Amino acid sequence: NAGVTQTPKFRILKIGQSMTLQCAQDMNHNYMYWYRQDPGMGLKLIYYSVGAGITDKGEVPNGYNVSRSTTEDFPLRLELAAPSQTSVYFCASSYSGGLLNEKLFFGSGTQLSVL
Amino acid sequence: QKEVEQNSGPLSVPEGAIASLNCTYSDRGSQSFFWYRQYSGKSPELIMFIYSNGDKEDGRFTAQLNKASQYVSLLIRDSQPSDSATYLCAVNDDRTGANNLFFGTGTRLTVIP
Repeated sequence: NAGVTQTPKFRILKIGQSMTLQCAQDMNHNYMYWYRQDPGMGLKLIYYSVGAGITDKGEVPNGYNVSRSTTEDFPLRLELAAPSQTSVYFCASSYSGGLLNEKLFFGSGTQLSVL
Repeated sequence: QKEVEQNSGPLSVPEGAIASLNCTYSDRGSQSFFWYRQYSGKSPELIMFIYSNGDKEDGRFTAQLNKASQYVSLLIRDSQPSDSATYLCAVNDDRTGANNLFFGTGTRLTVIP
């Protein structure tokens, strides 16, 4: 049981390039999330999904896109990378939402630099 | 927009002392509150959650919630060097029904041996 797996762990992009951050979970969780964490800051929600085929915007969605074709996978797409997208990206999952005390399981993170 | 405020620290305490971490939140409708610990370069991990006013204890950790004051705190008793980390306060966004969390900026704790 691997939990939440993110790839790659590190990436350097040039301004204007595109890339996809991969996230997969093997816990059969319905809910998945993408957060970004800037240095010395808390986590900001980018996008979330409550199940396959359903996605919605979080606090900071601009410049990103997501898809959820399967329960297991929730990739995050960066189009036309900008220096403001330099951050650490965390994928997370939970069995369900809307219940008190639900725990988020986090991946190990992707450190992205846009130069 | 929900706001979750924490003192960024750093907070330094000697080994064996009590560390007190504080958090305030803006939305009176918030119901669920979480404390995550994040070691440098690692992902956050849940250490405590609370949703009722009062205290909740788990080992050396005690979470305290006062909804009237919109205040939640975390006490760490008998602090150990291994407790040195950043502690993130998080509040559930109940509007979406998706367990979305709003995080504070975190308080960095250093326990001095």
